[in-house]
Amino acid sequence: DAKTTQPNSMESNEEEPVHLPCNHSTISGTDYIHWYRQLPSQGPEYVIHGLTSNVNNRMASLAIAEDRKSSTLILHRATLRDAAVYYCILLKNAGGTSYGKLTFGQGTILTVHP
Amino acid sequence: DSGVTQTPKHLITATGQRVTLRCSPRSGDLSVYWYQQSLDQGLQFLIQYYNGEERAKGNILERFSAQQFPDLHSELNLSSLELGDSALYFCASSVGTQMNTEAFFGQGTRLTVV
Repeated sequence: DAKTTQPNSMESNEEEPVHLPCNHSTISGTDYIHWYRQLPSQGPEYVIHGLTSNVNNRMASLAIAEDRKSSTLILHRATLRDAAVYYCILLKNAGGTSYGKLTFGQGTILTVHP
Repeated sequence: DSGVTQTPKHLITATGQRVTLRCSPRSGDLSVYWYQQSLDQGLQFLIQYYNGEERAKGNILERFSAQQFPDLHSELNLSSLELGDSALYFCASSVGTQMNTEAFFGQGTRLTVV
C-alpha cells in the first residue's frame, strides 16, 4: 500500500498561512489524497480531498504536485482553533470497499501561537 | 457537530467485564466504521458495516464484535476486557463506500478498564 510521510510537527503564528506538506511518492493513479484533522479530545474531522487538480473549500486548499508524489494542505490564515493533528491519507479503490480502510499515520502536530 | 452520536461518552469498568458502545450515524449515511485510538497505537480501524452487512475488517480482536441494526445504528461489543483495551473508541459514518466521499466522526467513547 502506498504510504505517506509527514513532518512530526510544525508551528505557526496566528493569522499567518500554514503549508502542511505530505509526501506520497508511491501513489497510484487511482489513489485519492484525503486530509483529516483531529482537534484535542475530539474525533477526526474531514478537511479536504483531491485526485489530480488543486482543490479549495471553506476550510483549506489542497495543492497537488503535477506528478502527484506530494501534496500540500494550505490553511490561509491560521487560528488558534486550527491547532490539531493533521493526517494525510491515501485511499485505494478495492472493489468499492476501500473507504473502510482509512489508515491514519502519525500525522503532523500543528501548534499555533497567538 | 458532525451528526454522529456516540454513547456513552465515558465508561469505566473492571477487567473481565463486557461493555457495549453505541453509535448513531448521520441521517442518510449507510456506512458505519469503528476505530480505536490508544496512546501507543494511534487510530486503528476495527470494522466497517454498510447497510447492515459487514464490509471490511481491520485489526479487531476476537473478543470484540459489532453489528449494524435495521435503523442503521451500530453497536460495538467488547468482552473479557483487559487493561490494554483502555482507549478512545470512535465511530464514523459516510453516505456510501466510495472513496470520494467524506467520513464524519463522533466525539468518541473513552473506555477505561481498571
